[in-house]
Amino acid sequence: AQSVSQHNHHVILSEAASLELGCNYSYGGTVNLFWYVQYPGQHLQLLLKYFSGDPLVKGIKGFEAEFIKSKFSFNLRKPSVQWSDTAEYFCAATGYSSASKIIFGSGTRLSIRP
Amino acid sequence: EPEVTQTPSHQVTQMGQEVILRCVPISNHLYFYWYRQILGQKVEFLVSFYNNEISEKSEIFDDQFSVERPDGSNFTLKIRSTKLEDSAMYFCASRGILEETQYFGPGTRLLVL
Repeated sequence: AQSVSQHNHHVILSEAASLELGCNYSYGGTVNLFWYVQYPGQHLQLLLKYFSGDPLVKGIKGFEAEFIKSKFSFNLRKPSVQWSDTAEYFCAATGYSSASKIIFGSGTRLSIRP
Repeated sequence: EPEVTQTPSHQVTQMGQEVILRCVPISNHLYFYWYRQILGQKVEFLVSFYNNEISEKSEIFDDQFSVERPDGSNFTLKIRSTKLEDSAMYFCASRGILEETQYFGPGTRLLVL
């Protein structure tokens, strides 16, 4: 069955700390991977995406993610977080077909202490 | 930058009433989706729509739900007889024909009393 797992439910960090949020997926066939962010009171925004090619992808606001096929993982990283990164982060996947639905992980709430 | 828009932003309704949630996808997009997020839970797929018909629907999308593209710009989700458990944030998304990224609207928060 297709699924996306995020093991960290709530992460609390201080400003300038490094961040890594875990994401594992279970998907048959070719998979496209995404990280979306939802700031408080706002809608889902795309942070970054991986379709093919370089497994290290860079997104907006200094975020990056690494696709490791052997581990079925797509972890999100940021070397130094800011208070404004406080948000809910969702890992997501779609299959490689034209109308593919997105399968979301359960989300990780990130709280940054000023 | 083009955006997906949704109306209303909030809706409160009585159990058993019909609601229609409206979405205006990005203008040149051809794939449309509805998702929902019950408070505290993950975002769940409801339905995808292409070429004026449903491409795929989830188990959640039962006979109480329907989607329509009544004109060239709107994409609607109708819940015929709302239940308490339909209370959720409903997100519309759209995608262009040559890309894999879905763009989400700001959501409609539906509260069924």
